[in-house]
Amino acid sequence: SQQGEEDPQALSIQEGENATMNCSYKTSINNLQWYRQNSGRGLVHLILIRSNEREKHSGRLRVTLDTSKKSSSLLITASRAADTASYFCATFFYTGANSKLTFGKGITLSVRP
Amino acid sequence: AAGVIQSPRHLIKEKRETATLKCYPIPRHDTVYWYQQGPGQDPQFLISFYEKMQSDKGSIPDRFSAQQFSDYHSELNMSSLELGDSALYFCASSPRPRTGMSYEQYFGPGTRLTVT
Repeated sequence: SQQGEEDPQALSIQEGENATMNCSYKTSINNLQWYRQNSGRGLVHLILIRSNEREKHSGRLRVTLDTSKKSSSLLITASRAADTASYFCATFFYTGANSKLTFGKGITLSVRP
Repeated sequence: AAGVIQSPRHLIKEKRETATLKCYPIPRHDTVYWYQQGPGQDPQFLISFYEKMQSDKGSIPDRFSAQQFSDYHSELNMSSLELGDSALYFCASSPRPRTGMSYEQYFGPGTRLTVT
């Protein structure tokens, strides 16, 4: 993958626990975004963090970005069964006419009730 | 709030047939992106348009073409379909990216294409 690796590939936790998912990338970025996808469904945007930001919060979500290590993490606190889904990180780099999201491999999260 | 609309939601075609997928972006979004997601795969960028002009191109086969119309909706035309084209096709829209600005892309529900 041009994007890098997601870590772990699959994660199974108990409801109420925290889930941490990591993503690494290889290229320069303007921002990094996390998406959720329920099985076979559409992509739901969760959070966007700009390259000059180090941490961002949104509800139960906390995302960090380390541009020196080219890595990001997504923390979901107090997980719920409804959080069961695949999670993708995607990097965005704008170069004038060229701009697109480059997705990494998804991380499958299973939250047991 | 209005979201990205894609049609059809499901499409079944035979090999060597053609298919047309449509995407209607969120109002006032002038940039449209197309992505392909094979089974168990991550989404792959195909092509994008801004103001009816192609702005970026990814791993889109020559058998595929796309365009954006004056009302900003976009169509992805796929010809000589192959079994490997079976996938979920997403359209996303956003305001036009600009230096120093970061816009999230809003994704439609996708069109599931099955080639038999």
